[in-house]
Amino acid sequence: SQTIHQWPATLVQPVGSPLSLECTVEGTSNPNLYWYRQAAGRGLQLLFYSVGIGQISSEVPQNLSASRPQDRQFILSSKKLLLSDSGFYLCACGLGTTNEKLFFGSGTQLSVL
Amino acid sequence: SQQGEEDPQALSIQEGENATMNCSYKTSINNLQWYRQNSGRGLVHLILIRSNEREKHSGRLRVTLDTSKKSSSLLITASRAADTASYFCATDESGGYQKVTFGTGTKLQVIP
Repeated sequence: SQTIHQWPATLVQPVGSPLSLECTVEGTSNPNLYWYRQAAGRGLQLLFYSVGIGQISSEVPQNLSASRPQDRQFILSSKKLLLSDSGFYLCACGLGTTNEKLFFGSGTQLSVL
Repeated sequence: SQQGEEDPQALSIQEGENATMNCSYKTSINNLQWYRQNSGRGLVHLILIRSNEREKHSGRLRVTLDTSKKSSSLLITASRAADTASYFCATDESGGYQKVTFGTGTKLQVIP
C-alpha cells in the first residue's frame, strides 16, 4: 500500500525567508499528487495538483509554487514567505484515473513570524 | 475555491447517539467522498459514493447523495468517544476526476 512521507512536521520561519516542503510517495506509480493548506480549525484549501511529472495545476494565485521533478516527488516552494502563508500543509496522493481515494501525509505545521 | 460546505460547523452529542452531518457542493460531480481528521493529523478516507448512487453503507456509516440538490449527508450511528474528530466531504468535478476539493468540515465531539 502507498505511504506518503512529508517533512518536517513543524517549521517556524521568518517573514521573507524561502520555503521548501517535500512530499514523497512510496508503494505506487504515476499517482495524482496534491498540496492542500488548512488554516486553524478550517477546511482544506487546494493549492496545487499534479497528474504527472512536470504537470502542475495551480488553484490559488499566491506566492507559492509547486514542482514535480520525479514521479513520486512533489515540492512546495516559496521565495519569500508572508505571514498569511502560515498554516497546516498537507500532501495527498490519489490513485488511478478515477481518484477514488486520497491518501494523506501527516502534514507540516508552518508558522511564519 | 472550496467546492463544499458542511453543516453544522460543530456538533456535540452523547455517546450512543447518532450524528448527522450535511455537505452541499456547487458543481456537477463524479464522486463524493467523506474523510475524517483527528486534530493535527492527516485525513483518512471513510467512504465514497458515486454520482449515480443514492445511498451507501459501511459499518456504522451511512451516506446519502442527492445530486438534484447537490447535497450529501453522513450519518454515524451509535457514536463512540473515539468518533470525536472533524469530518469533511470532498468532491471532484464531472469534467475530470483529478481536481479534488474539500468542504469546510464539521467538528464532532462525542461525550462519553
